Amino acid sequence: GIQVEQSPPDLILQEGANSTLRCNFSDSVNNLQWFHQNPWGQLINLFYIPSGTKQNGRLSATTVATERYSLLYISSSQTTDSGVYFCAVPPTEQRKLSFGAGTTVTVRA
Amino acid sequence: DVKVTQSSRYLVKRTGEKVFLECVQDMDHENMFWYRQDPGLGLRLIYFSYDVKMKEKGDIPEGYSVSREKKERFSLILESASTNQTSMYLCASSMTAVARDTQYFGPGTRLTVL
Repeated sequence: GIQVEQSPPDLILQEGANSTLRCNFSDSVNNLQWFHQNPWGQLINLFYIPSGTKQNGRLSATTVATERYSLLYISSSQTTDSGVYFCAVPPTEQRKLSFGAGTTVTVRA
Repeated sequence: DVKVTQSSRYLVKRTGEKVFLECVQDMDHENMFWYRQDPGLGLRLIYFSYDVKMKEKGDIPEGYSVSREKKERFSLILESASTNQTSMYLCASSMTAVARDTQYFGPGTRLTVL
């Protein structure tokens, strides 16, 4: 099946810093999503981004489908950005998603 | 707003017990999913359902079964709980059976099997 690799596994930031999270995938995809899981376990969808660039406040994401990677940018990080960030892509079966192992982000005040 | 609820936040069971985890969504979504989350492994799909009484195996169905008798409710069943099923269990739903549809997640159930 499709492999999804995220890096780095852990990231510690000082409040106000910028950072980039990476997601590599092993096969062509027509769908990629980024999720954030807060420290209390709640997962929410951040972006649906099969290609190109999208922005939502201080977060933006870029997917280069031809090179099989996606980047999530966090600018001017805040403590509320802490948590685990997952990327997910559909395997051959299009009705489900395969998740990466996640990047754990800790933002310190 | 879509709301996905799970029956328990924390659950402690003994080896060999039959365990039911319940998930309810309130937005008439077709698709529902059960995942387990373990450190360093991300989310792994156990089962999903794209319609009432329909189910499909995910990546790690062994030791689990599911039931979907009503559209809004999707149950995960551990027939005989084992210690290696200690994990965080997350339920999700999406509007249609298309992967690009946003999945909405419940708060999770942290299950400990002793």
